[in-house]
Amino acid sequence: GEDVEQSLFLSVREGDSSVINCTYTDSSSTYLYWYKQEPGAGLQLLTYIFSNMDMKQDQRLTVLLNKKDKHLSLRIADTQTGDSAIYFCAERPYNFNKFYFGSGTKLNVKP
Amino acid sequence: DVKVTQSSRYLVKRTGEKVFLECVQDMDHENMFWYRQDPGLGLRLIYFSYDVKMKEKGDIPEGYSVSREKKERFSLILESASTNQTSMYLCASSPGSSGANVLTFGAGSRLTVL
Repeated sequence: GEDVEQSLFLSVREGDSSVINCTYTDSSSTYLYWYKQEPGAGLQLLTYIFSNMDMKQDQRLTVLLNKKDKHLSLRIADTQTGDSAIYFCAERPYNFNKFYFGSGTKLNVKP
Repeated sequence: DVKVTQSSRYLVKRTGEKVFLECVQDMDHENMFWYRQDPGLGLRLIYFSYDVKMKEKGDIPEGYSVSREKKERFSLILESASTNQTSMYLCASSPGSSGANVLTFGAGSRLTVL
């Protein structure tokens, strides 16, 4: 199967930018997703990008994709305490039903 | 508001009991999935289904079975629960295999096996 890797923890101060990183291994066309999980809840989709794109921006969120290095990042501008959660990166090869998830990055936002 | 509903948020069962986890989606999605989530291991796929009465094994199917008799409902069955099946179980659904095919998740079912 595909291998999706993330670091486990990130700590930032309120108002700073957060950058959560992910690497993946699939070499063909693929969709890449970012999900957020708040304590005791399921996963909520934040955004997704197809592998023919370099960047996608949605309000405070910016996704950057480096296809050569198979590296995906999620930048959260002006991080708030409400952004404290676990963030999962996921990959789904095009026209394929299975999703491959990373282990999740726990973001801690300090006041 | 479209939804994936997991009927039980918290369950406590004893070793050897049969456990049913139910999941219902109201989006007419083709695909449904069961994952388990453990700290540091992320989400691991147990089983998925791409059509009624169809199922495929995921990465960790041992000790589990599933049932999909109707399109909207996907059940996870633990025939004889064991303590190493204590975990958070997440159900999800997606429309099909083309396009972005976004996964929508339920709120999760936390199972403790004593």
